[in-house]
Amino acid sequence: QKEVEQNSGPLSVPEGAIASLNCTYSDRGSQSFFWYRQYSGKSPELIMFIYSNGDKEDGRFTAQLNKASQYVSLLIRDSQPSDSATYLCAVLPSGGYNKLIFGAGTRLAVHP
Amino acid sequence: DAGITQSPRYKITETGRQVTLMCHQTWSHSYMFWYRQDLGHGLRLIYYSAAADITDKGEVPDGYVVSRSKTENFPLTLESATRSQTSVYFCASSPDRGKNGYTFGSGTRLTVV
Repeated sequence: QKEVEQNSGPLSVPEGAIASLNCTYSDRGSQSFFWYRQYSGKSPELIMFIYSNGDKEDGRFTAQLNKASQYVSLLIRDSQPSDSATYLCAVLPSGGYNKLIFGAGTRLAVHP
Repeated sequence: DAGITQSPRYKITETGRQVTLMCHQTWSHSYMFWYRQDLGHGLRLIYYSAAADITDKGEVPDGYVVSRSKTENFPLTLESATRSQTSVYFCASSPDRGKNGYTFGSGTRLTVV
C-alpha cells in the first residue's frame, strides 16, 4: 500500500525562525509532490509543488525533494504567526492508481 | 461564483437516513474527487471521476454512492448514514490526473447522530 508519512507535531517555532517540515513516501516511482496548508476549519490550499530533485523556492517557502531517499521537505523562512496551520504533504504515485495520496499533516505553531 | 463550491456547509442527520452532499465546479475540470478528513487519518479518497459518467472507487468507498451526469456536478450520497461517517467531506477538482495538484472546495461538516 502506497503511503505518505508525516510527523503530526505540533512543531513549535519562534517568530522569525525557520520551520522545517518533513515527509517520506513509499512509492519510489512517485512523480509529483505537493505541500498544502490547512488552517483550522478551512480547506487545504496548495502552496508548493515540486517534480525534480533539488530545491524550489517561492518567496519564504522552499520545497526540497530527494527521490533517492524518498523524502520531501518544506522550509518556511522568517516564520510568522499567520503561518500557524497544518501542513499536508501529498504525493502523486506512479502506476494505475495515480491519485493524490495525502499524509496526515504536521501542525505548525509559530509563537511571537 | 467561479470556483468549486460545496453544499451544505454543515449537516446533522440521523442514523439510517440518506443524505446527499453537493459539489459544483465552474472550471470544466475533467477530474473530480471526494475525500473525507478525520483526526489521525488525514484525507482519504472516497470516490473519484475522470469525466461525466465515469466514476471509480477510492480508498474508502463503502456506504457511499456517487454520480456524475454533468461535468460540473459530482454529488456524494450516503445511502444509510452511520455514526462512523461523521466527518468533514471535501470535494476537489483538477483539469488532469493531478500533475499540478487539486483545488478543494470549502468542505461539508457532517454529523450523524
